[in-house]
Amino acid sequence: EVQLVESGGALVQSGGSLRLSCAVSGFIVSDKYMTWVRQAPGKGLEWVSVMFRNGTTHYTDSVKGRFTVYRDNPKNTLRLQMNSLRAEDTAVYYCATDGSDASTWYVAYSWGQGTLVTVSS
Amino acid sequence: DIQMTQSPSSLSASIGDRVTITCRASQGIGNYLAWFQQKPGKVPKLLIYAASSLQSGVPSRFRGSGSGTDFTLTISSLQPEDFATYYCLKYYGVPQTFGQGTKVEVK
Repeated sequence: EVQLVESGGALVQSGGSLRLSCAVSGFIVSDKYMTWVRQAPGKGLEWVSVMFRNGTTHYTDSVKGRFTVYRDNPKNTLRLQMNSLRAEDTAVYYCATDGSDASTWYVAYSWGQGTLVTVSS
Repeated sequence: DIQMTQSPSSLSASIGDRVTITCRASQGIGNYLAWFQQKPGKVPKLLIYAASSLQSGVPSRFRGSGSGTDFTLTISSLQPEDFATYYCLKYYGVPQTFGQGTKVEVK
């Protein structure tokens, strides 16, 4: 069974750093497309970043140069290093992966429960 | 970047109503369009992928259609558990883009 469990969310001051983790089971993190999605309080869903199977990463413009996504293969975990945090980064952060069938590749098919990041100004 | 315009932003409907939500892409995205349902405090739930493929376990009253730039999510007969916010997601290339969301409320 595919499972994703996020952790690492916390209250942090503006300008600070935080590292989120997405521990996965039921699959190997380096074999899958992985994405981060966030949702600010009372707002809609926002795509944040992606790591493709080949290790290529992409980010939404507002986090480029501040956020880095990488894999911790021995721990079968995806991580999101967030630096220079701003108040507008306050959100629940979800990690997600795609499906196993080709028709479900690249879509956020399975989700974690999310972790809350609060950036105080 | 490809923009996604979802409408309406909210709607009021009654049990049994037919509900239609649309998403329009600023450029063609093939059928790389998904629909999600989210209830307050809950994780988004995938309903439809590849524009019209129903996710396993999702009731058949949910139907996705469209390709290219214009997409529709239709709920054929609204049920009490369907009151929620719905999002489209364009997953063709990067960046991926969610629609602004449609809140379906009780009339």
